[in-house]
Amino acid sequence: AQSVTQPDIHITVSEGASLELRCNYSYGATPYLFWYVQFPGQGLQLLLKYFSGDTLVQGIKGFEAEFKRSQSSFNLRKPSVHWSDAAEYFCAVGEMNYGQNFVFGPGTRLSVLP
Amino acid sequence: DSGVTQTPKHLITATGQRVTLRCSPRSGDLSVYWYQQSLDQGLQFLIQYYNGEERAKGNILERFSAQQFPDLHSELNLSSLELGDSALYFCASSGDSKNIQYFGAGTRLSVL
Repeated sequence: AQSVTQPDIHITVSEGASLELRCNYSYGATPYLFWYVQFPGQGLQLLLKYFSGDTLVQGIKGFEAEFKRSQSSFNLRKPSVHWSDAAEYFCAVGEMNYGQNFVFGPGTRLSVLP
Repeated sequence: DSGVTQTPKHLITATGQRVTLRCSPRSGDLSVYWYQQSLDQGLQFLIQYYNGEERAKGNILERFSAQQFPDLHSELNLSSLELGDSALYFCASSGDSKNIQYFGAGTRLSVL
């Protein structure tokens, strides 16, 4: 069965600092990988996705993520964090077949210091 | 705006009662997913429908049921409610085989 771990429950960074949120997955084949963001009181918003090809994917709001098959990781990065990035971030793994076996990680809460 | 509409936004009810949550997917999306988000359990997949048929089942209790109608909107029915059912319930929809899911704003259920 698939599983997703996000080792950091809560991360605090200063505004302008770089950010890396970790995500590790367990999956038998090449997965589809996603990062979602959730702001307080809102639903989840898709940040970026990886299906195949270039292992470095660009997303919205200046985020990027790198797929590393050898490490079963899909870490999310941003070079300079803004106060508005404070939110909960979820990594997810899925596969083709319209949603079967789609699994979310536990989430990482990001706080940004002024 | 994701294009996925959930109603109501908030629901307050008592233990033992039954409620219905409604979801309208993005135009053209055939798949609808339901999730429960609570502080202790995180985001849990409940059930998925594709074009009116149940496609996948996750950690959904027997007291809960869902359906997807011919116009593709979906309803999640929660019965014999318990205090522990208090949570945010999200609906998501998807329109392609790569399973990119778009989420609604959620329904916050409070069981008193």
